Amino acid sequence: EVQLVESGGGLVQPGGSLRLSCAASGFTFSNYWMHWVRQDPGRGLVWVSRIKRDGSSTDYADSVKGRFTISRDNAKNTLYLQMNNLRVEDSAVYYCARETSFRGSYFPDYWGQGTLVAVSP
Amino acid sequence: DIQMTQSPSSLSASVGDRVTITCRASQGISNSLAWYQQKPGKAPKLLLYGASTLESGVPSRFSGSGSGTDYTLTISSLQPEDFATYSCQQYYSTTLTFGGGTKVEIK
Repeated sequence: EVQLVESGGGLVQPGGSLRLSCAASGFTFSNYWMHWVRQDPGRGLVWVSRIKRDGSSTDYADSVKGRFTISRDNAKNTLYLQMNNLRVEDSAVYYCARETSFRGSYFPDYWGQGTLVAVSP
Repeated sequence: DIQMTQSPSSLSASVGDRVTITCRASQGISNSLAWYQQKPGKAPKLLLYGASTLESGVPSRFSGSGSGTDYTLTISSLQPEDFATYSCQQYYSTTLTFGGGTKVEIK
């Protein structure tokens, strides 16, 4: 059974940092691209970042570029999101998600249950 | 970025009702559309992809259709376990974008 379990969320002041983790199991982690997606309270889902299977390629939403860094440790089956210089508007539930493919297109299939990040003075 | 406009934002329905949710993209997305179901405190669950392909294990009462910019999720006969929030997502662009969600509530 595919499982993704996020951790590392919490309350932080503006300008602070957090590192989120996502522990993967039930599949060969190193074979999949992975994503971070966030959901503002009461609002829709927003894509944050993706990383290639071996970590050699990454991509970010403009809103987090230069502040957030996605990485992975395939030996530990774990995905990370280092979040620096946090802003109030970064407050959200953060989900990790596995990417699958269909007819040459790519999208998330399995998601974790999320970890809450609250940025407040 | 491709904007996804989903409607309605919420609806009330009864068990057994037919429910339709629509999603409109700001440009053509060539059926690169997925639908997710989300319950409070739970992980989003993939229902359909490719606009109309049912994910394994998803009941056949769920169906999807559409083309170009306009897409639809239909639940043919609403069941108690279907009360949840549904979101569309385009993956035509490398910047994935989502609709605002439709909360399906019990009438």
